Amino acid sequence: ILNVEQSPQSLHVQEGDSTNFTCSFPSSNFYALHWYRWETAKNPEALFVMTLNGDEKKKGRISATLNTKEGYSYLYIKGSQPEDSATYLCAPYLYGGSQGNLIFGKGTKLSVKP
Amino acid sequence: GAVVSQHPSRVICKSGTSVKIECRSLDFQATTMFWYRQFPKQSLMLMATSNEGSKATYEQGVEKDKFLINHASLTLSTLTVTSAHPEDSSFYICSASSHGTSGSGEQFFGPGTRLTVL
Repeated sequence: ILNVEQSPQSLHVQEGDSTNFTCSFPSSNFYALHWYRWETAKNPEALFVMTLNGDEKKKGRISATLNTKEGYSYLYIKGSQPEDSATYLCAPYLYGGSQGNLIFGKGTKLSVKP
Repeated sequence: GAVVSQHPSRVICKSGTSVKIECRSLDFQATTMFWYRQFPKQSLMLMATSNEGSKATYEQGVEKDKFLINHASLTLSTLTVTSAHPEDSSFYICSASSHGTSGSGEQFFGPGTRLTVL
């Protein structure tokens, strides 16, 4: 069973706080790591796709880093805003069998209080 | 950006009936569509991958005769839950990709369908 762990499960921060959370995944058969942002009652939205060890990507106040050798990725949000409230999902794309698949973690639910 | 719609958003049905869920890519051609299921407090689990014009590939443990997938065009895939039972109650969500099953290709998700079988 391929295990993808996200921590913490939930997080409550004040507006303006910076925060970060972790995604741990099996490092073998790794191809890419996807991060998604899922607001309640909306479609999950793709944030980043990362493939290279040491890769760092940024989108506005959100950035992510990737360590493929040890199997983890961090997502950072600088100066959290209430609109950042959502569940953040990571999904490594791993090869197994005849094809690869995205394996989703349970997500980190972020709540930002004004 | 790429938009995927899913219909219906919510359905309640009686045990033994069949339910069809539609997934449409509105502004791009989706060579591949994916169907996921999410039980409460669990992660999204891939059920099957479908490529336009060919048979779907089902994940281990997913009954292909129970969950019928049709991907007849580059913009539409349907999932039919046949003879639904209460244990099929779940959140079903589709995604679409124009990169096939490439690991670096983004998947664009629909809003999901909440199925409740009484």
